[in-house]
Amino acid sequence: KQEVTQIPAALSVPEGENLVLNCSFTDSAIYNLQWFRQDPGKGLTSLLLIQSSQREQTSGRLNASLDKSSGRSTLYIAASQPGDSATYLCAVTGGTSGSRLTFGEGTQLTVNP
Amino acid sequence: DARVTQTPRHKVTEMGQEVTMRCQPILGHNTVFWYRQTMMQGLELLAYFRNRAPLDDSGMPKDRFSAEMPDATLATLKIQPSEPRDSAVYFCASGLGSFEQFFGPGTRLTVL
Repeated sequence: KQEVTQIPAALSVPEGENLVLNCSFTDSAIYNLQWFRQDPGKGLTSLLLIQSSQREQTSGRLNASLDKSSGRSTLYIAASQPGDSATYLCAVTGGTSGSRLTFGEGTQLTVNP
Repeated sequence: DARVTQTPRHKVTEMGQEVTMRCQPILGHNTVFWYRQTMMQGLELLAYFRNRAPLDDSGMPKDRFSAEMPDATLATLKIQPSEPRDSAVYFCASGLGSFEQFFGPGTRLTVL
C-alpha cells in the first residue's frame, strides 16, 4: 500500500526566506506527483504536477523536483511571502493506488511579515 | 475559467437523515473523484468514475454511501442514513485520465 510522508509537519519562517518542503513515498511505481496548497476552510489548489518521466517542474517562485527511484520530492519556494502561508500537500497516483491520489499529511507553512 | 463546482457548500443535518452532495466536473474531464477530509484521517478517496463508469468505490461504506454519475456533467454522493462520524469535508475532483486533478471547494457536512 502506497504511503506518503511529509516533513516537516509545520514550518514558520520570516518573509523573504527560501524554503524547502519534503515529501517521500514508499511505492516508486507512480504515474505522477502533484503538489497542492490548501488555505484554512478552503479547497485544494493544484500547484504543480510532475509526471513520472520528469525530474522537475517550475511555476513562478515554485520549483518541484522528483526523484522517483528514491521515492522523494521537494517543493522549493523562493523569496517566501506572507501570502504563501497555507498547508501544502503532496500526493501521488499510480502503483497499487491506480488513478487515486494518495496524500501526505501536509506541511503547515507560516510566513511571518 | 473552468472549475469544479459543488453544492451545497455547507450542510447541517440530524443523524438518520439523507444527505445528497452534487458535483459538476470541468467540461471535458472524463474522470471524477470523491474524497473526504477529516482531521483524524486526512484526505482519503471514497470513489471514482471514468467515463461515468465506477472504477473504484472501495473507500466507501457501501451500506450507507452511494455514488453515481447520471450524466457527464453531474456526479452525486449520497449518504443514507447519515451518522455523526460522517461529519467531514467532502471534495469532488475531476481530471483527464490519470493526469492532473482539479478540486472543487468542498461540501462541509455536519451530522448532529
